[in-house]
Order: sequence, then structure tokens, then C-alpha cells
Amino acid sequence: AQRVTQPEKLLSVFKGAPVELKCNYSYSGSPELFWYVQYSRQRLQLLLRHISRESIKGFTADLNKGETSFHLKKPFAQEEDSAMYYCALSGLYSGNTPLVFGKGTRLSVIA
Amino acid sequence: NAGVTQTPKFQVLKTGQSMTLQCAQDMNHEYMSWYRQDPGMGLRLIHYSVGAGITDQGEVPNGYNVSRSTTEDFPLRLLSAAPSQTSVYFCASSYQQGSGYTFGSGTRLTVV
Repeated sequence: AQRVTQPEKLLSVFKGAPVELKCNYSYSGSPELFWYVQYSRQRLQLLLRHISRESIKGFTADLNKGETSFHLKKPFAQEEDSAMYYCALSGLYSGNTPLVFGKGTRLSVIA
Repeated sequence: NAGVTQTPKFQVLKTGQSMTLQCAQDMNHEYMSWYRQDPGMGLRLIHYSVGAGITDQGEVPNGYNVSRSTTEDFPLRLLSAAPSQTSVYFCASSYQQGSGYTFGSGTRLTVV
């Protein structure tokens, strides 16, 4: 079974400080990992996917299969980064595996 | 290009009533899913579909029905609404697994 764990419900950092949002997963096959962001009362937006290895809005995330983690990082937090962040997992080569989410971490950037 | 369209945006139901939440996408996506979002619970998968005529249950399917007669539409039916179904419902679609899902703007449902 798929499972995504985001251990922190709330993370508060000061503007300019580094940010790390943790995500751990459990999946028996080859995983496809994503980070989604939800700004206040808006729809979810795709932020990152591990397979593309891109950096969006200064955020990066690296898949660590040994530690089954996909932590989201940003070196210098900005106030506009305040939002809910969700880590999500699907099967990379399994077309029938749905997208499953963690419970989310609310990031609050303090000026 | 409208993306994923959900209607209605807001709905209040009385306990025991039934209703259908509509979801339509115009991107020719095969994969579609319904989630509910509750405080502290994140997004939980209700039902999903990997193509027209194919649906499957997610984590919290009880009390909900779906069908997928066309690629474009994936309605979610509440059979007999209960207060526990008060939530924000999101529909999402994807071209293929691994490409990321596009989400609708959500339906905020209150059951009294």
C-alpha cells in the first residue's frame, strides 16, 4: 500500500531563513513523488515532481530511495511562500496507482 | 482551455439528501480522481478512474458513487448526505501517471 508521511503540521520560519519540509513515503514499487502547494483557499498547484529534477520558485527536492524521503528545500524563505504544502506519491510504472497525499504541512514565513 | 471545472462551488444539504458534484475536464486526460480535504487530514482519495468505463475505490469511498461514461466527465454522487461528509471536494485529472495532476477549484459542501 502507498503511504505518505509529513511529520510536521506547522512549520514557522523567519524571512530569509532556510526551509525544509519533510516527506517520507512507503511504496513497494518505483515511486513517483510530487510536491503540491495550496495558497489560501485556492486550488492545489503542482510545485515539483522528482522525475523532472527542476527548481520552481527556488524550491528543490531530491528523492532519496535509501531513506524513502522527498524533502522540499529552499535556501531563503520569502513571505509569499506561506501556504499549505502537500507531498504526494504515485507509481512510476504502474498506470493504475492513484495519487496519494500526505496530511500536509502549513508553512508560515514570519517577516 | 478551461482545465478542470467543478460545479457547484458551494452547496448546503440537509441530512439524507442526495446530490451530484460535477467535474469536467477539456484536456483529454485519462486519469481523474476525487478527493476530500478536511482540516488536519490532508487530501483523502475517494474514487478514481484510469479511463472511461473504469473506476476504483480510494481510501474513503463509503457514501459516494462515481461513474465515468465519457473521458471528459467524472461526477461524484452523494447517496444520502451525512454531516460527516461536510468537506471541501476537489476533482483532479492527469494525462498519465507521472505527469502531475491538474486540480479543480473545489466544491465546499456543508451538510446540516
